[in-house]
Amino acid sequence: ETGVTQSPTHLIKTRGQQVTLRCSSQSGHNTVSWYQQALGQGPQFIFQYYREEENGRGNFPPRFSGLQFPNYSSELNVNALELDDSALYLCASSHDRRVNTEAFFGQGTRLTVV
Amino acid sequence: DQQVKQNSPSLSVQEGRISILNCDYTNSMFDYFLWYKKYPAEGPTFLISISSIKDKNEDGRFTVFLNKSAKHLSLHIVPSQPGDSAVYFCAANTETSGSRLTFGEGTQLTVNP
Repeated sequence: ETGVTQSPTHLIKTRGQQVTLRCSSQSGHNTVSWYQQALGQGPQFIFQYYREEENGRGNFPPRFSGLQFPNYSSELNVNALELDDSALYLCASSHDRRVNTEAFFGQGTRLTVV
Repeated sequence: DQQVKQNSPSLSVQEGRISILNCDYTNSMFDYFLWYKKYPAEGPTFLISISSIKDKNEDGRFTVFLNKSAKHLSLHIVPSQPGDSAVYFCAANTETSGSRLTFGEGTQLTVNP
């Protein structure tokens, strides 16, 4: 059973560009959540996907968008990058979307916008 | 609106002593509270949780206490070990939010040999 893997681990983008981050869920998990962790802060919920449908969204603008594929892997897309988008982006998968379901996190993608 | 707050950015304790990490929350609708541990260059890993209908949950060296009237929870680690040095996040969710988590800012625990 493989864990949650994210790619790339690090990347640098220029303000105004677009970026796609990828997440491979743990085997058997149908729910993926994305979080943004700014320096010195806790992770902030961006959105969640359950069986390829968006299942809740945090307080992030529409330029943050996502996809979940039939194999339950997921992408986070950010358009028109801003300097404040620099952060660690974490993906978490779980076998269900219910409240007492454990979430397993990937190691994160460190995005730097210059 | 920071619904989950960890007011201590850092905590330093001696090996073998007790570590107490604190967390306060404002949303009385939270149904579950969780603690996650994060090492550098790794994702957070689940440590222990507690339902809002309980006031204590214990798992080996780790115990979480919940005081609903004070909207406060704490994580006790006894005895503390150098390998426990990490950032600890308090998190919470509700039945309606499901597995989506609201995190605190984190506390850096350092256990000195």
